[in-house]
Amino acid sequence: GAGVSQSPSNKVTEKGKDVELRCDPISGHTALYWYRQSLGQGLEFLIYFQGNSAPDKSGLPSDRFSAERTGGSVSTLTIQRTQQEDSAVYLCASSLQTGLNEKLFFGSGTQLSVL
Amino acid sequence: SQQGEEDPQALSIQEGENATMNCSYKTSINNLQWYRQNSGRGLVHLILIRSNEREKHSGRLRVTLDTSKKSSSLLITASRAADTASYFCAPMDSSYKLIFGSGTRLLVRP
Repeated sequence: GAGVSQSPSNKVTEKGKDVELRCDPISGHTALYWYRQSLGQGLEFLIYFQGNSAPDKSGLPSDRFSAERTGGSVSTLTIQRTQQEDSAVYLCASSLQTGLNEKLFFGSGTQLSVL
Repeated sequence: SQQGEEDPQALSIQEGENATMNCSYKTSINNLQWYRQNSGRGLVHLILIRSNEREKHSGRLRVTLDTSKKSSSLLITASRAADTASYFCAPMDSSYKLIFGSGTRLLVRP
């Protein structure tokens, strides 16, 4: 596609429910990143993929968070048993590859609200 | 961590003035990137400066890098109301991750 697409753009859920957030990167981009941004804060790194592999999962806050990427394209971030502190904007970005001089292209994010 | 830390946290200037934002980081980097964010959603890449570069220009943007001081600055000249946004620096080390700081919120008053 023309840009990084994320869906849904907004998600309201009840505490304890599971949610799935989707990211569709720019066609041909092999690297994909997930970040989280709480209100008025900076970006918190969660995980990145090179192809279908996730070399670095160090940013996932707990075992309730998981992510997968299939076919080297679409990625899904799943949050199980959501908590109120999970409320944030979840941002996805892609780049042509992982490399020293690659820049990231960001989607518009998913605003997650846990009631 | 390799997180960039921006300073100041917030900056308010008059249209036409220059805006300078600073960034510090902790360890060796391969490059440092600056991004802009409007309305708390997606970020847009502004400029990348490599570790062997000291200064780079792009339109009204000027970025400097001082690896000995582990710092960078972003200068926006002749600011416009449309420049109002949050600006983030993101150092990249050999792990290829970009770690963002909390950003500088810039307000340009018409």
